Order: sequence, then structure tokens, then C-alpha cells
Amino acid sequence: DVKVTQSSRYLVKRTGEKVFLECVQDMDHENMFWYRQDPGLGLRLIYFSYDVKMKEKGDIPEGYSVSREKKERFSLILESASTNQTSMYLCASSWGNQPQHFGDGTRLSIL
Amino acid sequence: SQKIEQNSEALNIQEGKTATLTCNYTNYSPAYLQWYRQDPGRGPVFLLLIRENEKEKRKERLKVTFDTTLKQSLFHITASQPADSATYLCASDGQNFVFGPGTRLSVLP
Repeated sequence: DVKVTQSSRYLVKRTGEKVFLECVQDMDHENMFWYRQDPGLGLRLIYFSYDVKMKEKGDIPEGYSVSREKKERFSLILESASTNQTSMYLCASSWGNQPQHFGDGTRLSIL
Repeated sequence: SQKIEQNSEALNIQEGKTATLTCNYTNYSPAYLQWYRQDPGRGPVFLLLIRENEKEKRKERLKVTFDTTLKQSLFHITASQPADSATYLCASDGQNFVFGPGTRLSVLP
């Protein structure tokens, strides 16, 4: 069974801090994704990656960056956290056009 | 831009009845649609995929249809149970992979 692991379930940070969210998958999937989920807005794609060191902007990349140095790991970085980045962050992975496998999310609060 | 709408934010039905959830897409023609289930505090879990050339797909008590004329997919749960209570998300390919906002289904005993 595919396992996607996000490093933290809950995280509280201060405005202006640099925040790292980590995601690891164990199935050698080429694709990895970062979403945020907000009530009434659903899942919105922040960034995705089709291969090591490759990254593509999603629908809402502003204020975020990503890093994929190894195939199994995809990191989301909030360069200078702001209160409007308080949200649930979900990581997913997939192979080709196959369905995505999700982690259980990180609920991030920016104070 | 491509858009997916799920026209019910919440749906309550009685146990044993069939639940029908709707997904509508606009401004593009997806090659496939996917349906996911999400429980509170968990990530979405894939349920079914239907391609544009397929009219219907079934898996146990689940059935999904794809109508390219109406630009719509319907997701049915027959003989619903309280354990089916969850949020159901529709998703599709396109310029970017897109999710709908979800429908929160409550099956009442």
C-alpha cells in the first residue's frame, strides 16, 4: 500500500517565520503535489513536481516555494509566513495519470 | 479557466436510500473524472475513475456516470449506510489537476 507521510499533523508558527512542510512517499512515484484546503474553497493546487529537481506552479503559488532534491521527498516552504496562509496543507503523490495518494495533512496556524 | 462545481455543499439522506452527488465542469473537456472520499482530519482517498468514453463505472455499491453533453458526472451510493458519511470530492485533469469543493454527505440511521 502506498504511504504518503507528512512530517507534522499540527504546526503553529508566527508571522514572518520561514516554515518548512515535509512530505515523503514510499512508492517511487514520479509526481508529487502540494495543496491547501480551506472551507468553501476546496483543494487548491500550490505546486507540483514531475521529477527530481523539477517543479511547476499550480493555481496559487504566491508566497510559497518547493524543493525536490530526492524522488521520495517534496518540501513546501513558506518564505515569510502570513496569517492568510493558515490552512490545511495536503501532500499527494501519483504515477503518470493514475489517481493521487494523499497524506493526512498538516494543519498550519500562523499567529 | 477550468472549473469544477459540486452543487450541494451538504446532503442528508436516510439509511438504505440511494445518495446521488453531482459534479459539473465548465470551460474545458476533461479526459477523465475521479471521485474521492475524505473523512474529517484525513486526506482524500481515491474511489473511482471514469474516462470520457465511458458512460458508467461501478464498484460494489458505488456507481459513477459521465455525460459529456451535460458536462456532468453523477456519483451514486446505493443502500447507503451511516459509515458512508463523509465528504466526497470530484476531480479532473486539465491544464492543472482540479478538485471540486466537495459535498458533505450525512447518512442518518
